[in-house]
Amino acid sequence: SQTIHQWPATLVQPVGSPLSLECTVEGTSNPNLYWYRQAAGRGLQLLFYSVGIGQISSEVPQNLSASRPQDRQFILSSKKLLLSDSGFYLCAWSAHADGQDGKLFFGSGTQLSVL
Amino acid sequence: AQKVTQAQTEISVVEKEDVTLDCVYETRDTTYYLFWYKQPPSGELVFLIRRNSFDEQNEISGRYSWNFQKSTSSFNFTITASQVVDSAVYFCARSGAGSYQLTFGKGTKLSVIP
Repeated sequence: SQTIHQWPATLVQPVGSPLSLECTVEGTSNPNLYWYRQAAGRGLQLLFYSVGIGQISSEVPQNLSASRPQDRQFILSSKKLLLSDSGFYLCAWSAHADGQDGKLFFGSGTQLSVL
Repeated sequence: AQKVTQAQTEISVVEKEDVTLDCVYETRDTTYYLFWYKQPPSGELVFLIRRNSFDEQNEISGRYSWNFQKSTSSFNFTITASQVVDSAVYFCARSGAGSYQLTFGKGTKLSVIP
């Protein structure tokens, strides 16, 4: 069966520090991968998605970036965190064939607090 | 933007009561998909249902049922005989055909009181 791992679960970082969140998927190949952010009291916002190694699409302008160095690995990064980057970050995957119909499977999330 | 509106921010019900979570969406697409996801306190979103725009049949899965009405652009979710384990935040979402973008509503927090 497929599983998705996301870490760390919580993170407290000072403003201006770098960020690296990692997500890996097991039990499937060539998945579509996604990073979402959930701000307090708001819905989920798609940040990045990837349909293959090295292929990253950004949905919103920001100081975050994403990379996909391996088929089932997706990394969210920042060189300098802002206060506004605080939030709950969720990684998700979908089967490549289903990629455009939204059936996503989510990781357990990372609660990021930027102080 | 094609929004998804969940007007109910929080709902509290007593165990065994029925509860309906409302979802209204905007779309300019002919083909689109609608979803419900559940986010329990652990934080992980769990997929509940996907509906495409050409299928207006209501669906029932155990205690869960969904009412899709294109005429009112609504996709409401009913839990029958609610249980404490149903306590979670529920999100309605839509996507257009060919799009990787899921547009989520802001969620409805359901509390089921024993």
